[in-house]
Amino acid sequence: QVQLQESGPGLVQPSQTLSLTCTVSGGSISSGAYYWTWIRQHPGKGLEWIGHLYYSGSNYYNPSLKSRVTISVDTSKNQFSLKLSSVTAADTAVYYCARAYSSGYYFFDYWGQGTLATVSS
Amino acid sequence: QTVVTQEPSFSVSPGGTVTLTCGLSSGSVSTSYYPSWYQQTPGQAPRTLIYSTNTRSSGVPDRFSGSILGNKAALTITGAQADDESDYFCVLYMRSGIVVFGGGTKLTVL
Repeated sequence: QVQLQESGPGLVQPSQTLSLTCTVSGGSISSGAYYWTWIRQHPGKGLEWIGHLYYSGSNYYNPSLKSRVTISVDTSKNQFSLKLSSVTAADTAVYYCARAYSSGYYFFDYWGQGTLATVSS
Repeated sequence: QTVVTQEPSFSVSPGGTVTLTCGLSSGSVSTSYYPSWYQQTPGQAPRTLIYSTNTRSSGVPDRFSGSILGNKAALTITGAQADDESDYFCVLYMRSGIVVFGGGTKLTVL
């Protein structure tokens, strides 16, 4: 059974960089047919796709966040990471990592439990 | 900018049938957008219900079904139960390679 677990600081200072890591267990991050994804949810709001990464390095980002987002993968640790720069209070949200199956069609088949990141001084 | 539209809220009686939809601000939703549907209760991560328009995820009851209705993707719940009261989100995969969530529908069962 594949499991994903987010980790990272729960509090980030404004203008700093939010850094989160997702550790994947029960499956290899180097397996084909999957995009490793970050999604966020502002308090009481809907879900927002941040971006995803194929293990070989190709990635796609939400155009509204593209200038501030970097998603990277560490295959040796079976982890992938999110960096969001120049954060403001508007970036306060629960951040989820997820695996997206992407061979022939596309959907999120496994999700992490989510981690709250608060931007505040 | 692509906007994926969903009804903000919907209400259904226990045992009743409800159809939630997922549209595009410009254009029609087709199977090539690989519409998928997710259920979320407060404080929980989303649960995958339907993918590739109409394929139920493992363990999802057959009272949940997906389809294309007109120019939208649709999620139908037949014989609604109290624990179906949740938020429902659709996701579309764009030809450009980006992914867009709908705004979600809050379903009330009463």
